Amino acid sequence: GDSVTQMEGPVTLSEEAFLTINCTYTATGYPSLFWYVQYPGEGLQLLLKATKADDKGSNKGFEATYRKETTSFHLEKGSVQVSDSAVYFCALSDRNDYKLSFGAGTTVTVRA
Amino acid sequence: DARVTQTPRHKVTEMGQEVTMRCQPILGHNTVFWYRQTMMQGLELLAYFRNRAPLDDSGMPKDRFSAEMPDATLATLKIQPSEPRDSAVYFCASGPRQGLSYTEAFFGQGTRLTVV
Repeated sequence: GDSVTQMEGPVTLSEEAFLTINCTYTATGYPSLFWYVQYPGEGLQLLLKATKADDKGSNKGFEATYRKETTSFHLEKGSVQVSDSAVYFCALSDRNDYKLSFGAGTTVTVRA
Repeated sequence: DARVTQTPRHKVTEMGQEVTMRCQPILGHNTVFWYRQTMMQGLELLAYFRNRAPLDDSGMPKDRFSAEMPDATLATLKIQPSEPRDSAVYFCASGPRQGLSYTEAFFGQGTRLTVV
């Protein structure tokens, strides 16, 4: 079945550092790809998405590009802030059955 | 501001008791997911519905868990009897109508269940 593998954490960074979280996927078709973020004590929120190959999703300074050739959707941010401390989840949605599958999550802590 | 509403937010119960968690999806959304989150297992898909029909509940222990959608505005997840290993945060999420080529899910704030 479809699955998502993302970089294990935790990741600890200093403010203004560059952040990358790797995500690769396995899918039989052409899934849509997402990054969700979870702040402490809250539910997940959609951060960005891409629905086809070479699409770039972006939001709040975060970016990810749908790479079909490498089956990847890595999340990047050029300069992180303390407020970016959260758990980040990579996810995919199968176009055939609309199931939404998540990776294990990566905990990111940004220190001032 | 449309949002997914889950009740209760917190529940502490004794082993063997029945637990019912409720979810009100965003009006107009026709896909509803139930997830369970634990430190050990991460985010697990328990079941999901489209147009109130269950599409997949293979992630759910069938002997004690049941999920239903009595109507389009209410989804329920029941555990009977509950066990300590069921302690987790249970999330409901809803997604837009069919016709889009993907499902974008909007999550509730979760029900934190503790079974003692």
